[in-house]
Amino acid sequence: KNQVEQSPQSLIILEGKNCTLQCNYTVSPFSNLRWYKQDTGRGPVSLTIMTFSENTKSNGRYTATLDADTKQSSLHITASQLSDSASYICVVSDRGSTLGRLYFGRGTQLTVWP
Amino acid sequence: EADIYQTPRYLVIGTGKKITLECSQTMGHDKMYWYQQDPGMELHLIHYSYGVNSTEKGDLSSESTVSRIRTEHFPLTLESARPSHTSQYLCASSESGDSNQPQHFGDGTRLSIL
Repeated sequence: KNQVEQSPQSLIILEGKNCTLQCNYTVSPFSNLRWYKQDTGRGPVSLTIMTFSENTKSNGRYTATLDADTKQSSLHITASQLSDSASYICVVSDRGSTLGRLYFGRGTQLTVWP
Repeated sequence: EADIYQTPRYLVIGTGKKITLECSQTMGHDKMYWYQQDPGMELHLIHYSYGVNSTEKGDLSSESTVSRIRTEHFPLTLESARPSHTSQYLCASSESGDSNQPQHFGDGTRLSIL
């Protein structure tokens, strides 16, 4: 069964600290893995997209890694800011259909305290 | 910043009413999607469209219907709302072709059926 599991479910850190969010997936065949940020009451916003051949991609203070062999990804946030408080969603796309079906994780709820 | 808009943002309405949730995008994207999201849960695809006059049901069974008469417009309709329809509804769009294109999301409609 194709699944995307994220950990931790929630995380609280102090402003300025770094953190790492985890994503494990069983989706096959694999096409790409995406990380989205969803602020409360808003729609998700794309942070990074990685294909099979990419093992790291950065977007400002966000760095995503991908290990396609172990089917694991992580999102590292450097020097956290209050505005980083949000849900971070891992999404994996398969190659099994024209649609490129997306499998969503439940997200990690990050809270940054001053 | 993606140009995809959903209205209304919030809707509280009684059982049995007909509801239409609006979604418009100005990016000229052929692919559009409707997702349902409950608190703390993953997004579930309920409808998608590859272009004008193309609509398909998604993974999650839904009593809603959609139409795609114009490229930029993808409304979702509930003929007779029930309390079980209470949820957040997110609309998204993406470019055709390369499946590695990100989906751009609207900010959602939070629907409450009394």
